[in-house]
Amino acid sequence: AQSVTQLGSHVSVSEGALVLLRCNYSSSVPPYLFWYVQYPNQGLQLLLKYTSAATLVKGINGFEAEFKKSETSFHLTKPSAHMSDAAEYFCAVNGNTGNQFYFGTGTSLTVIP
Amino acid sequence: GAGVSQTPSNKVTEKGKYVELRCDPISGHTALYWYRQSLGQGPEFLIYFQGTGAADDSGLPNDRFFAVRPEGSVSTLKIQRTERGDSAVYLCASSLNSGARGDTQYFGPGTRLTVL
Repeated sequence: AQSVTQLGSHVSVSEGALVLLRCNYSSSVPPYLFWYVQYPNQGLQLLLKYTSAATLVKGINGFEAEFKKSETSFHLTKPSAHMSDAAEYFCAVNGNTGNQFYFGTGTSLTVIP
Repeated sequence: GAGVSQTPSNKVTEKGKYVELRCDPISGHTALYWYRQSLGQGPEFLIYFQGTGAADDSGLPNDRFFAVRPEGSVSTLKIQRTERGDSAVYLCASSLNSGARGDTQYFGPGTRLTVL
């Protein structure tokens, strides 16, 4: 079975501070992992994905995530938060057959000026 | 290029009514997915199409829910005898290939369904 857990439903950071959004996964097969961002009234947009290549994955808008098998984690980071980063972030893992994603409950990021 | 589009963006209906939600995937994408996102939750898988056929409908909650994709492009999610618990945002996604592991799914903006 596959699942992800996102620790912290709400995260607040100051503008210019480090962003760290946590995701831990459970998977019965080698996982493929994704981070999506959702702005208000918009669809989910892919930030980055891990598909068993390099463990440090770089995505759009300065975000990156590191796959750590020993910790079953895939945390999302960004060195310096911008106001435009305020949104809902979802971590997801692929199912065995690839035709569905299992999403976490999301983390709402607030950036304080 | 155009992304995934969904219509209507909002739908308000009364309990017991029938609704149809439409998804227009990215041109050329063979795989299409429906998810349901309840308030405060992540999206939950409903059904996956490969071409015209429903390859996996294991996420449909009950037989009131049905989806079609007759020509392998546009899909319609149909909900009969709606209940208040069906209120959610219904998301559609498409991917280029066969839905293999690692394929990026591209999401539409969703249809917000409210059942009064």
